[in-house]
Amino acid sequence: RKEVEQDPGPFNVPEGATVAFNCTYSNSASQSFFWYRQDCRKEPKLLMSVYSSGNEDGRFTAQLNRASQYISLLIRDSKLSDSATYLCVGYTGNQFYFGTGTSLTVIP
Amino acid sequence: DGGITQSPKYLFRKEGQNVTLSCEQNLNHDAMYWYRQDPGQGLRLIYYSQIVNDFQKGDIAEGYSVSREKKESFPLTVTSAQKNPTAFYLCASRDSYEQYFGPGTRLTVT
Repeated sequence: RKEVEQDPGPFNVPEGATVAFNCTYSNSASQSFFWYRQDCRKEPKLLMSVYSSGNEDGRFTAQLNRASQYISLLIRDSKLSDSATYLCVGYTGNQFYFGTGTSLTVIP
Repeated sequence: DGGITQSPKYLFRKEGQNVTLSCEQNLNHDAMYWYRQDPGQGLRLIYYSQIVNDFQKGDIAEGYSVSREKKESFPLTVTSAQKNPTAFYLCASRDSYEQYFGPGTRLTVT
C-alpha cells in the first residue's frame, strides 16, 4: 500500500466553483503534511502546510484529520490560474512521501 | 537571490554513458534530496543527505550514485546500470519540515 494516496482526477470545474481534494495516508506516525502545486513540466511548489486545527490562506483551506488519516484541500472561487496538479505530501522520519497528484482544470 | 539551481535543464545522452546532474543551493539547508518523476507517477526518492559527507539510499537507488562533499552541492550520477534513466529529475532541500525544489533536469537517454 502506498504511503500517500490521492484521486488522480481529472477535476474539470468552471471558474468560480469550489473544489475539494482528499488524500489518505497509511503511516499514523507521519509528522507533517503539505500540499504542493505542480504546473506542467515544472517543479512542485509548496502551496501550504496542513495543520490539525485547519489552516487557510486566501481561497485555500487545508485540513488534517489524524483519526481518519486523511488530508483535504479546498479551493474556493476557482481561477483559471489554479489549473495545475496538486500533490499531497507526508513527512515521516526525514523522508517525504508524495501522492501521484490530482489534476485540476478550471474552465472559463 | 536564494534558491536551488539545477543544470542543465535538458540533457541528452547515449545509452551506456554515465551522466552527472548538478544541484546547488544557497539556502544553508542541511538536508538535500533527489527524486525522479515519470509521466503520471508521483515523485520517487533516489537518495537523500542529512548532512555533509553522509547520504542514504531512497526507494530507487539502484543505478544511481551521489556525493555530498559540500553543504551547498549534491550531484547525482546516473550510471549505465540504471535500466530506465529517461525521466524528470528533481533536487530539493529541506528547512525544518518544508521542502523546496530546484527547476529540475529532463534527462533523455537513447
